[in-house]
Amino acid sequence: GENVEQHPSTLSVQEGDSAVIKCTYSDSASNYFPWYKQELGKRPQLIIDIRSNVGEKKDQRIAVTLNKTAKHFSLHITETQPEDSAVYFCAAKTSYDKVIFGPGTSLSVIP
Amino acid sequence: NAGVTQTPKFQVLKTGQSMTLQCAQDMNHEYMSWYRQDPGMGLRLIHYSVGAGITDQGEVPNGYNVSRSTTEDFPLRLLSAAPSQTSVYFCASSRDRGDGPLHFGNGTRLTVT
Repeated sequence: GENVEQHPSTLSVQEGDSAVIKCTYSDSASNYFPWYKQELGKRPQLIIDIRSNVGEKKDQRIAVTLNKTAKHFSLHITETQPEDSAVYFCAAKTSYDKVIFGPGTSLSVIP
Repeated sequence: NAGVTQTPKFQVLKTGQSMTLQCAQDMNHEYMSWYRQDPGMGLRLIHYSVGAGITDQGEVPNGYNVSRSTTEDFPLRLLSAAPSQTSVYFCASSRDRGDGPLHFGNGTRLTVT
């Protein structure tokens, strides 16, 4: 069935350093790949997304890359700040209109 | 706009009881979905709907029923609660058929004893 894997499960970086989270998906027909940030006790919120006809997208300190051939996509956060500390989820929309999430990455930014 | 509204926020059930988690959205979104969130397992899709009158199973549908009689409402029914259904439940909606951002409700924390 459809599956989204995500690594690492936890990530700790110094303030100002970069953070990279990687995801792979199984359904080759997937065409939409969003990333969500969830702060403790709150609901997930979209931070950036990418569609299958685009290889890279940037929004200020956040960027996402997509490699459709290898079926993987990555989130890059530059110049990390303490407020970036949260759980990050990748997701993929499958050919059956399901949005499947990865297990999440807990990011800690150390001041 | 209220966005996506879930009720109740907290619920405690005894094993074998049934209940309905309510979800309503006021954005005229066609796509709605239910997820459960457990530690270390991310958000797992229970059921989803691409429009009124249409529902389909997600990754973990067993023990749950849904219906979609209107565009606005997408209730989730637990038929006979089990301790394994202790979780945080999120309802979400999207303008597109999952091709756009999901707007999440604030969640319902359910405990089954």
